[in-house]
Amino acid sequence: DAKTTQPNSMESNEEEPVHLPCNHSTISGTDYIHWYRQLPSQGPEYVIHGLTSNVNNRMASLAIAEDRKSSTLILHRATLRDAAVYYCILLPTGNQFYFGTGTSLTVIP
Amino acid sequence: DTGVSQDPRHKITKRGQNVTFRCDPISEHNRLYWYRQTLGQGPEFLTYFQNEAQLEKSRLLSDRFSAERPKGSFSTLEIQRTEQGDSAMYLCASSPLRLPTYGYTFGSGTRLTVV
Repeated sequence: DAKTTQPNSMESNEEEPVHLPCNHSTISGTDYIHWYRQLPSQGPEYVIHGLTSNVNNRMASLAIAEDRKSSTLILHRATLRDAAVYYCILLPTGNQFYFGTGTSLTVIP
Repeated sequence: DTGVSQDPRHKITKRGQNVTFRCDPISEHNRLYWYRQTLGQGPEFLTYFQNEAQLEKSRLLSDRFSAERPKGSFSTLEIQRTEQGDSAMYLCASSPLRLPTYGYTFGSGTRLTVV
């Protein structure tokens, strides 16, 4: 199983940026880095993914280290609706996800 | 298309009873996945289908568990002789063969409580 390491929990003030780190030192060259988030009582929701280059979409940005052994999900302005568990997952092409315990993000009003 | 649908949303059953859950994936999605999630943990992979073929099963899927996808569309997950340890959220996800930019789509899950 491809392994990732994330802090168990983080806090952020509302409307401030949030940087959620993820270590994946055993990543292989073909592994994609995916981020999902899970709101209470819902299934996981896709946030963003990347391979080597930094990525931006309407939800977030993904910064990938040059050696690909770590990545950071950036929420530019945290809102109360961003309070969720965020999972960093490595996806070998064609295979299923293996989730860790993720980072529980608390947004403080 | 309304996404991945799971039914029921909640199920309470007595220990020893059998339960069956249903997942309706996004139409035309060839792949369908089942995951189990216990409180405070991330989802754990159980099994996945490509069309009607069950291609992989986790060792978590004991012989009391069986999953089917008979026509390559909806899928069912049955648990026989339920135990209290089976209490969890059961999640279904689907995707096309080629992973799209939006990734996999998960349903909202079926929460099982075994009393």
